Amino acid sequence: SQQGEEDPQALSIQEGENATMNCSYKTSINNLQWYRQNSGRGLVHLILIRSNEREKHSGRLRVTLDTSKKSSSLLITASRAADTASYFCAGRSDSWGKLQFGAGTQVVVTP
Amino acid sequence: NAGVTQTPKFQVLKTGQSMTLQCAQDMNHNSMYWYRQDPGMGLRLIYYSASEGTTDKGEVPNGYNVSRLNKREFSLRLESAAPSQTSVYFCASRLAGTGNMNTEAFFGQGTRLTVV
Repeated sequence: SQQGEEDPQALSIQEGENATMNCSYKTSINNLQWYRQNSGRGLVHLILIRSNEREKHSGRLRVTLDTSKKSSSLLITASRAADTASYFCAGRSDSWGKLQFGAGTQVVVTP
Repeated sequence: NAGVTQTPKFQVLKTGQSMTLQCAQDMNHNSMYWYRQDPGMGLRLIYYSASEGTTDKGEVPNGYNVSRLNKREFSLRLESAAPSQTSVYFCASRLAGTGNMNTEAFFGQGTRLTVV
């Protein structure tokens, strides 16, 4: 079972616009993590939100978590062409457990 | 500090051939993971090793074996490659365990494998 399913599958926006993507998960988690993958590269950690947090900011990133709905959202404000990438979420339920990802949201930011 | 290093970066195999994908991390992480990534499928967990000396199956283990050689190295072996194993393979590591709930995973750059 996946611990992260993102939507939309693809998002195309222009520079300066905001990009919002959502993540749903199936079981209880202790934290939810977002990662970015540039084309042909490995995943890079962006931000982590704990289950007792509702919102967290890091630079132009804003992530929310609604544990009652088992969902999270990632907002990238004032997007740049360099934000073009795929974005993945993954939930963690225990400190030793595996990290499972969804199919990701592919974001294309055009200048 | 190299992080997670995977070798090789690219490989072409013929059906039925065997090969081992190597992964090493220099961050003293205890947990390591192997994923495959196919178009439209995201990352799927093949095997993972929560700590040195243990390995467990992920979602798609069939056709693969792993070895946690030591704390640094976690290899993935294809005994008899099939075209369905054409994919990009990623290794990752993380500091796990008590007190380490909120640590992030670090990924290698991937191995692009084609089986013909």
